[in-house]
Amino acid sequence: AQKVTQAQTEISVVEKEDVTLDCVYETRDTTYYLFWYKQPPSGELVFLIRRNSFDEQNEISGRYSWNFQKSTSSFNFTITASQVVDSAVYFCALKRGGATNKLIFGTGTLLAVQP
Amino acid sequence: NAGVTQTPKFRVLKTGQSMTLLCAQDMNHEYMYWYRQDPGMGLRLIHYSVGEGTTAKGEVPDGYNVSRLKKQNFLLGLESAAPSQTSVYFCASSYGGAGWETQYFGPGTRLLVL
Repeated sequence: AQKVTQAQTEISVVEKEDVTLDCVYETRDTTYYLFWYKQPPSGELVFLIRRNSFDEQNEISGRYSWNFQKSTSSFNFTITASQVVDSAVYFCALKRGGATNKLIFGTGTLLAVQP
Repeated sequence: NAGVTQTPKFRVLKTGQSMTLLCAQDMNHEYMYWYRQDPGMGLRLIHYSVGEGTTAKGEVPDGYNVSRLKKQNFLLGLESAAPSQTSVYFCASSYGGAGWETQYFGPGTRLLVL
């Protein structure tokens, strides 16, 4: 069975703090893909990153970084020096490696960054 | 490029009424999807299409129908709306269906069924 768990329902931080959003996944596949999406208060879903199961390199993009660890089945997302504009719901999602169309979402983490 | 657009943005229905949600994409994507988002449940796949003229059931298809008469459009229909269909509906598209294909989402349609 495929499953994504985002145990943190809500996180509140003060601007400039670092924050890590946790994502734990379950799958028996050897090939799979992990995604992060951002849903700002305006409601749209914005794609942030995709990672395949064979690439455990950490990724950094500006203030955003992602830590993929197969040993713990985790794909965590860190925002450094958070800003008010980072306030959003963040979703982690999993997809199997074959020709499948099912994107399995976690329940999301609401991040509130206070000024 | 507008990407993925959805019409309408918000709608209120009475129980038993019908409506159609329209999704359009201008990225020449083959695959299109309809999801619903409910509080505390993430997004769940309703129906999807792997190309013009095709449709398939997702995780929660009951009470919905879809059609893909043109490659760029994917319609979601509710024949007899129920309060349980109150939700935010998202359309998405992707170039292909392989695992590594990224799905790009529209802005969502908020539906309230009274």
